[in-house]
Amino acid sequence: GAGVSQSPSNKVTEKGKDVELRCDPISGHTALYWYRQRLGQGLEFLIYFQGNSAPDKSGLPSDRFSAERTGESVSTLTIQRTQQEDSAVYLCASSLGGQGRGGEQYFGPGTRLTVT
Amino acid sequence: AQKVTQAQTEISVVEKEDVTLDCVYETRDTTYYLFWYKQPPSGELVFLIRRNSFDEQNEISGRYSWNFQKSTSSFNFTITASQVVDSAVYFCALSGVTTSGTYKYIFGTGTRLKVLA
Repeated sequence: GAGVSQSPSNKVTEKGKDVELRCDPISGHTALYWYRQRLGQGLEFLIYFQGNSAPDKSGLPSDRFSAERTGESVSTLTIQRTQQEDSAVYLCASSLGGQGRGGEQYFGPGTRLTVT
Repeated sequence: AQKVTQAQTEISVVEKEDVTLDCVYETRDTTYYLFWYKQPPSGELVFLIRRNSFDEQNEISGRYSWNFQKSTSSFNFTITASQVVDSAVYFCALSGVTTSGTYKYIFGTGTRLKVLA
């Protein structure tokens, strides 16, 4: 079946503009995660959805970042007033169960965001 | 607090050598899960293995093997007879419950493995 998809694959934006990143998880996966990966770095957890609710938003770096999920499916990560330090690859993953329940995560190919 | 440490930032080996990637974790949970993921140069992370905290039996899958030792809080990954296609960044991860009762999925910083022909 189809894996996790993300769009756009690449996004170049000017500093100060808003961007919206989209994630389509695997059908039936109730848990969805967003991570940020700066060049050559590890994964930085941003937010986790269980269904449509977000029990863990602890990783969002500032109030410029927000995310939502509708219909236990698509999720969007929005970054307002982008800054150059927001440049990174944004990864989305989904799993059958929530965090702590042992479900492996399936990752999308990521969105490479470049803020000029 | 939960933590995953991958002290080796980068390892280079010559093809056909064996290599072990270290992973040390911290958790107060009695029930937790450990994972290894591979991120090849193409960028997409791929799940390799999951172990739960009650199963310390080592696992072998082809050239890959994993050694889980609760006594040392380690979950090491060994590649036998490495190949160039094994070149990637490998991440160790921990899934469990935090002290505040929420669930957490924590990744280590990754180990970049370079296998030279």
